[in-house]
Amino acid sequence: NAGVTQTPKFQVLKTGQSMTLQCAQDMNHEYMSWYRQDPGMGLRLIHYSVGAGITDQGEVPNGYNVSRSTTEDFPLRLLSAAPSQTSVYFCASSNSGQGGNTEAFFGQGTRLTVV
Amino acid sequence: AQKITQTQPGMFVQEKEAVTLDCTYDTSDQSYGLFWYKQPSSGEMIFLIYQGSYDEQNATEGRYSLNFQKARKSANLVISASQLGDSAMYFCAMREPSNDYKLSFGAGTTVTVRA
Repeated sequence: NAGVTQTPKFQVLKTGQSMTLQCAQDMNHEYMSWYRQDPGMGLRLIHYSVGAGITDQGEVPNGYNVSRSTTEDFPLRLLSAAPSQTSVYFCASSNSGQGGNTEAFFGQGTRLTVV
Repeated sequence: AQKITQTQPGMFVQEKEAVTLDCTYDTSDQSYGLFWYKQPSSGEMIFLIYQGSYDEQNATEGRYSLNFQKARKSANLVISASQLGDSAMYFCAMREPSNDYKLSFGAGTTVTVRA
């Protein structure tokens, strides 16, 4: 029962470095998203995808890129890390977003620190 | 504009007592879904309960119930018979068609259960 697998769990980056957070799901979900969680702000949507080949921006997309070449994978790329990107990142997946009753399944989270 | 508002940053509750977590939302859609998630100190996001906007009855899942007042746009979570393991952060979230069914979160409420 893998569900949503997110790697790595922890990461420290230097300012200006790039990296990719990996996210994979084995539930054949069409809808995948990336969130960041900061104290007092809940989870804010970075990017999302409603299916392979389709991505769109969320609330806080600047400094991040995504792609969705397969149904299973939805990597998040930090192009040039900044201290403001220090956060906890969550990947989530759900059945088709067309329907308000679809709960999201979350990965375990990645705690990223940019120094 | 904030779509989900949770006005209680933190709450204390005595073991075995009930606690109500407030959530108000903002939408013009007729059809939408409301969710509650639990985040314990270990960090994972756990789905608790769902309420559809057209559901006539309040949702219940074990010790969790959702007090849905559609006219007031509120979806409060009630945890009955609190246990020490209920100590966690709780998030209210919403999906709506006009927002591409993206899951929007409130800032969260931290619940601490006292023995």
